[in-house]
Amino acid sequence: GENVEQHPSTPSVQEGDSAVIKCTYSDSASNYFPWYKQELGKRPQLIIDIRSNVGEKKDQRIAVTLNKTAKHFSLHITETQPEDSAVYFCAASLVSGGYNKLIFGAGTRLAVHP
Amino acid sequence: NAGVTQTPKFQVLKTGQSMTLQCAQDMNHNSMYWYRQDPGMGLRLIYYSASEGTTDKGEVPNGYNVSRLNKREFSLRLESAAPSQTSVYFCASSSLGGGKGYEQYFGPGTRLTVT
Repeated sequence: GENVEQHPSTPSVQEGDSAVIKCTYSDSASNYFPWYKQELGKRPQLIIDIRSNVGEKKDQRIAVTLNKTAKHFSLHITETQPEDSAVYFCAASLVSGGYNKLIFGAGTRLAVHP
Repeated sequence: NAGVTQTPKFQVLKTGQSMTLQCAQDMNHNSMYWYRQDPGMGLRLIYYSASEGTTDKGEVPNGYNVSRLNKREFSLRLESAAPSQTSVYFCASSSLGGGKGYEQYFGPGTRLTVT
């Protein structure tokens, strides 16, 4: 089955710097790669996602890149702000048959210092 | 729209007790999911339901059962709780048809402690 590895686990950046979180997946059939942000005590919320037919996607300060050959994808956050401090999860799935079985990475706890 | 709701928010059980976690969504989604979240391990899929009347196992189904009561509701049952089931449980739903995105919407979670 699918396995997703995520790193780094606890990065720390200064406000205004960029942050990059990387994930690798094992199942070459996976075709959907979302990123979720989870604040302390809250539910995970989707911040950006990418499908396997696209190499890069941007939404304001957030971007995701996908390398299908190497089976890895990355989250890029530019001009980080203290409110970006949270746990970020990547996930991978093969969307098929009306369902979407997400396999999550272990999470990255990002700290942005003012 | 309330989105995805879960009850209860918190629960403490003794080993061997049973309970049912309730989940409902008002977004007319076809598929629903149950995850557990343990520290340092991300979210792991317990069971899912692609549509009303169908359920299937995820990564960690042992010790759990589910019921897709109707299109809105998907419950998770612990028949005989064990300390290893202490976790935060999240329900999620999504709709994959009709040109919509693949996003899963999560409920607020149930924090379960088994002593």
